[in-house]
Amino acid sequence: DAKTTQPPSMDCAEGRAANLPCNHSTISGNEYVYWYRQIHSQGPQYIIHGLKNNETNEMASLIITEDRKSSTLILPHATLRDTAVYYCIVSSGGSNYKLTFGKGTLLTVNP
Amino acid sequence: GAVVSQHPSRVICKSGTSVKIECRSLDFQATTMFWYRQFPKQSLMLMATSNEGSKATYEQGVEKDKFLINHASLTLSTLTVTSAHPEDSSFYICSARTVDQPQHFGDGTRLSIL
Repeated sequence: DAKTTQPPSMDCAEGRAANLPCNHSTISGNEYVYWYRQIHSQGPQYIIHGLKNNETNEMASLIITEDRKSSTLILPHATLRDTAVYYCIVSSGGSNYKLTFGKGTLLTVNP
Repeated sequence: GAVVSQHPSRVICKSGTSVKIECRSLDFQATTMFWYRQFPKQSLMLMATSNEGSKATYEQGVEKDKFLINHASLTLSTLTVTSAHPEDSSFYICSARTVDQPQHFGDGTRLSIL
């Protein structure tokens, strides 16, 4: 699976949009981009995933560049409860796909 | 949404005992379940992948005789840490998925071996 690069930490003001970048320049054509987050002492929570097109759900939006070498997770109105480590993971999504977790980005939402 | 339940949430036991952790998919049938371990201030490390009715596939460096995995049904997988020692103390997390769906995670089990 392709490797991803994320900034180790970011800050965001409560109520503002949080834009979390991820580089995955070696992504293959059949690999999806997945985003998870982990709040302290809990299991990871699925946020969103995509292949080529931008995706939106009730939690976030995922913007994937046309060349698919990078993506951005957008939390439109960050709250204090969005403080967590956010993981960007690339995986093939096949029948036995695995998720390889990197170090992620610690997003701190400030009041 | 998909719910994965893990039990117990916390275990404290003496060195040498065996500990069983359960992972259940509550509202979907999980064709595949995964077991991870997370040490303090580190990321999740995949230990093994199990498909219902099949033997688990362990990642390199994970002892299969130490970490016994049973995936007897489409909604239940168990991880047994045999003869646990202090170095096995960690946060163990399971996840489950069905075909063409993302993995959903349990809330983890914090294992402390005294």
